[in-house]
Parts: sequence; C-alpha cells; structure tokens
Amino acid sequence: DAKTTQPNSMESNEEEPVHLPCNHSTISGTDYIHWYRQLPSQGPEYVIHGLTSNVNNRMASLAIAEDRKSSTLILHRATLRDAAVYYCILRDVLGSQGNLIFGKGTKLSVKP
Amino acid sequence: DTEVTQTPKHLVMGMTNKKSLKCEQHMGHRAMYWYKQKAKKPPELMFVYSYEKLSINESVPSRFSPECPNSSLLNLHLHALQPEDSALYLCASRAPGQGAAGIQYFGAGTRLSVL
Repeated sequence: DAKTTQPNSMESNEEEPVHLPCNHSTISGTDYIHWYRQLPSQGPEYVIHGLTSNVNNRMASLAIAEDRKSSTLILHRATLRDAAVYYCILRDVLGSQGNLIFGKGTKLSVKP
Repeated sequence: DTEVTQTPKHLVMGMTNKKSLKCEQHMGHRAMYWYKQKAKKPPELMFVYSYEKLSINESVPSRFSPECPNSSLLNLHLHALQPEDSALYLCASRAPGQGAAGIQYFGAGTRLSVL
C-alpha cells in the first residue's frame, strides 16, 4: 500500500473550521483515500472516503488535489468532541481484503 | 444497527492463563478483523477472516489463536501471553463486495493487561 504523511499534531479553536492535510505522493490510480478517527478510549470510526472528486457527508468534507498527491479533511465547525487522532489511509481497489494499514495519524486538540 | 460489540472491556491475566476475547456483529458483514494497538501507536492488523475462513495472518505468534465459529462471531483465544502483549485489542467488520471502498466498523476494544 502507498504511504501517507500527516502532521503529528494540530490545534484548533472550538467552532472554527479545521483543515487536516495528508500527503500521498505515491498514490496509484486505484487507491481510495479513507479517513478514520479515533476518539480517546474508543475504537476507530469511519469519517469519509473518496477516489477523485471532493466528497461531503454529515461529518466532514474531503478535498482531493487534482493530481491526487494530497488531500485535506475539513471539519467545518470543530467541537470539543472532535478531539481525536485522525488517520489518512490509502486502500488499493486491487489489493486484498480492503485492509486498513494505519499510519501515525494527526492528533487534533480542540480548545474551548 | 452499526454496532460491533467486544467483551470483555478489560481483562487482566497471568502468563500461564488461558482466556478468550469475543467480538460480535449483526450487520451481515462477512469480513472480520482483529487489530492490536499499543499505547500511543496506531492499530496494527493481526488477522482477517473472510466468509468465516482465515485469509490473512500477519505473522502473529501462535499464542494468539483466532476463531470464527459463525458469520456474526469472532473470538481470539489467548494462551501463555507475555507482558509485552498488553494492549488494546480491536475487532472490526466490513460488508462484503465493497473492496477498497468498504467501510470498516470497529468495536470499542478489549484492554488487556498481562502480568
């Protein structure tokens, strides 16, 4: 699986937008970009995923660069409950089992 | 219902004990996973079951023995563990046929301490 690079940590203020970057310069044409997050003392939870086009859902938006070598997860209004580790993961449609290979992720802190 | 239930939530065991972790889902998912997560580290894949058959073993020591008795249940049998096996053990499931676009649903994990 292609690798991703994320900042170790980021800080945000409550009710402000947060942009979490992810670099994946070796992405292949068949790689989906997935984002999961892990709140303290919980298992990871799915946030959003996309292939080429920008995606929106009730939790977040995913902006994918035109060359697909980077992407940004956007939380439109951060709340204290969004404090978590955010993982950007590439999953190859040709790979086995759709397995998730987690990188180190970005720890997001939200200040009131 | 998008819930994956893991029991127990916490487990303390000695190095000579035998114990089992249990994972259950009723979403009709046919792919189930065990992950291990050490403190302040990302989850690491251990095993994958697809249609109740073991399809991936990520070179996990034999003191960890997975079992999938039916499509809703996944067990992890533990025997002669070492203190370094202390970690959060996570179970996940995924709907069939979605490949790389499929969403994995995780349980809250079992926090294991080996004394």
